[in-house]
Amino acid sequence: DTGVSQDPRHKITKRGQNVTFRCDPISEHNRLYWYRQTLGQGPEFLTYFQNEAQLEKSRLLSDRFSAERPKGSFSTLEIQRTEQGDSAMYLCASSFVGFNQPQHFGDGTRLSIL
Amino acid sequence: ELKVEQNPLFLSMQEGKNYTIYCNYSTTSDRLYWYRQDPGKSLESLFVLLSNGAVKQEGRLMASLDTKARLSTLHITAAVHDLSATYFCAVGPLTGTASKLTFGTGTRLQVTL
Repeated sequence: DTGVSQDPRHKITKRGQNVTFRCDPISEHNRLYWYRQTLGQGPEFLTYFQNEAQLEKSRLLSDRFSAERPKGSFSTLEIQRTEQGDSAMYLCASSFVGFNQPQHFGDGTRLSIL
Repeated sequence: ELKVEQNPLFLSMQEGKNYTIYCNYSTTSDRLYWYRQDPGKSLESLFVLLSNGAVKQEGRLMASLDTKARLSTLHITAAVHDLSATYFCAVGPLTGTASKLTFGTGTRLQVTL
């Protein structure tokens, strides 16, 4: 049973650089979500896709952030011109459509900005 | 804007004791989810509660939902060390299919011998 897979697990970069994370959801799931979690806090919603369509974006998702899910399978989250405040754990989750379906989370990508 | 508060933020309890974690939310919803997170790990789904009065139990954990009070509880019975983790509640929007979840700040549970 393959769960949600995220790559890389840890990314260290200098301020101002661009970074891209990848998420491979559970294969049958048509919904994919991105969240951000900082130390001692719960995850905060960033955006979600149903198949390849991006249906909702949080206002937390500034212009420097972009997410894609080109073929309705894996997704990428890119952060341009990284800032210190971007340091966090970026979590991906997937689910079936339906409010009775829990979201299944990956292990996350920890981003550290030097 | 939906706000979700958990209480307490940190809980140290002895093995064998009972305790309850509370989750309050600010706007109407009947979709409440509980997750567990171990240090350095991702979130594991525990319960999905979808109606007023819903109660679900798994092992030593029991979750309930009171939509009128906008309150969910996670009750721990006869705690064991393996239950040490951070527990999050999350609330889904009232309308539409599940999309954005709003999480509480989490309750860090430490079960001591």
